[in-house]
Amino acid sequence: SQQGEEDPQALSIQEGENATMNCSYKTSINNLQWYRQNSGRGLVHLILIRSNEREKHSGRLRVTLDTSKKSSSLLITASRAADTASYFCATDGSSNTGKLIFGQGTTLQVKP
Amino acid sequence: EPEVTQTPSHQVTQMGQEVILRCVPISNHLYFYWYRQILGQKVEFLVSFYNNEISEKSEIFDDQFSVERPDGSNFTLKIRSTKLEDSAMYFCASTGLAGRNTQYFGPGTRLTVL
Repeated sequence: SQQGEEDPQALSIQEGENATMNCSYKTSINNLQWYRQNSGRGLVHLILIRSNEREKHSGRLRVTLDTSKKSSSLLITASRAADTASYFCATDGSSNTGKLIFGQGTTLQVKP
Repeated sequence: EPEVTQTPSHQVTQMGQEVILRCVPISNHLYFYWYRQILGQKVEFLVSFYNNEISEKSEIFDDQFSVERPDGSNFTLKIRSTKLEDSAMYFCASTGLAGRNTQYFGPGTRLTVL
């Protein structure tokens, strides 16, 4: 079955540094989405990248997608303490129902 | 900005009791989902719902679970006889076009089964 796997599982950086998180998946996709989750809270949608796109930007976020390697990366530039959260990638696995398959997530800690 | 809402935010129940978790998806969305997240684990798909019927369900979604859209706005998840292992955060999500558009999640209901 398809799984999204994030790497690293945990990341600790200083405020102002960049944070890069990677995600790998196993099957073909229509799109890949990144979500953020603050501890014990809901999932906040960050960005969606379609299978025919290679890179997308949104503010301090940059997402890349390499469908040949079945991988994606999320870069957060100039990180802030408020970026501290868990980050998940989710793929739809070409499902026509749109169900999302989530990875285990990367826990990011940004130290002030 | 439209958002998905869920009630209650926290539900505590005794094992064997029935619970109903409620969601109000974004009003013009057509596809609805339930996911769950056991503490410390990843988010897992439970069920998708479109055109008033289940379109896909996972192995987790057994006969103890059911979903309903009783009116034009609410979307509910019922667990008939709760078990300890049903303790988790339950998220509702909706989207306008499955597989194409962003899936928006509600804030979740934390279910604690004692």
